[in-house]
Amino acid sequence: AQSVSQHNHHVILSEAASLELGCNYSYGGTVNLFWYVQYPGQHLQLLLKYFSGDPLVKGIKGFEAEFIKSKFSFNLRKPSVQWSDTAEYFCAVNAPGGADGLTFGKGTHLIIQP
Amino acid sequence: EAGVTQSPTHLIKTRGQQATLRCSPISGHTSVYWYQQALGLGLQFLLWYDEGEERNRGNFPPRFSGRQFPNYSSELNVNALELEDSALYLCASSRHRATDTQYFGPGTRLTVL
Repeated sequence: AQSVSQHNHHVILSEAASLELGCNYSYGGTVNLFWYVQYPGQHLQLLLKYFSGDPLVKGIKGFEAEFIKSKFSFNLRKPSVQWSDTAEYFCAVNAPGGADGLTFGKGTHLIIQP
Repeated sequence: EAGVTQSPTHLIKTRGQQATLRCSPISGHTSVYWYQQALGLGLQFLLWYDEGEERNRGNFPPRFSGRQFPNYSSELNVNALELEDSALYLCASSRHRATDTQYFGPGTRLTVL
């Protein structure tokens, strides 16, 4: 069975700081990788995804993530965070065929202090 | 384009009762997924429906069931409710292929007293 590990459950940063949220997955085969974000009072939204090709993917709101196959990692980055980035961030994977749905990490609660 | 919609927003039931939750996918999407987001347990895959058929289910007991209608909307039924069923239930939809991107609805908050 596949699993996803997010290293930091709570992260507090000041505005303009750089962000990196770690995500590691365990699965031996090809996977599709996602980052979702849940802003306060809103539903889960897709931030970015990786299916194949360039391992550096860009998403909405200046976020990007890098897939490193050898490390089974898909870390999320943003060079300069804003107060509006305060949210819960979830890393997720599914295997080709996707019959087991998405497997999510436990989430990282990010707080940006003005 | 309308997103995934779910109803009701909140549902309060007592132990032993049955709950019915509803989901309408994005137009053109044929796959519907259900997830449970319980406190401390994170998001867990419950059920996957595609083209009217149940295609797979997660590690949940049979009292969690559902169906998908010809218009691709879906219903999740939870029978014999237990206190630990209290959670946010999320519905997601995608195009036919199971590995396509899933788009989530706002969820139904189920409280079991």
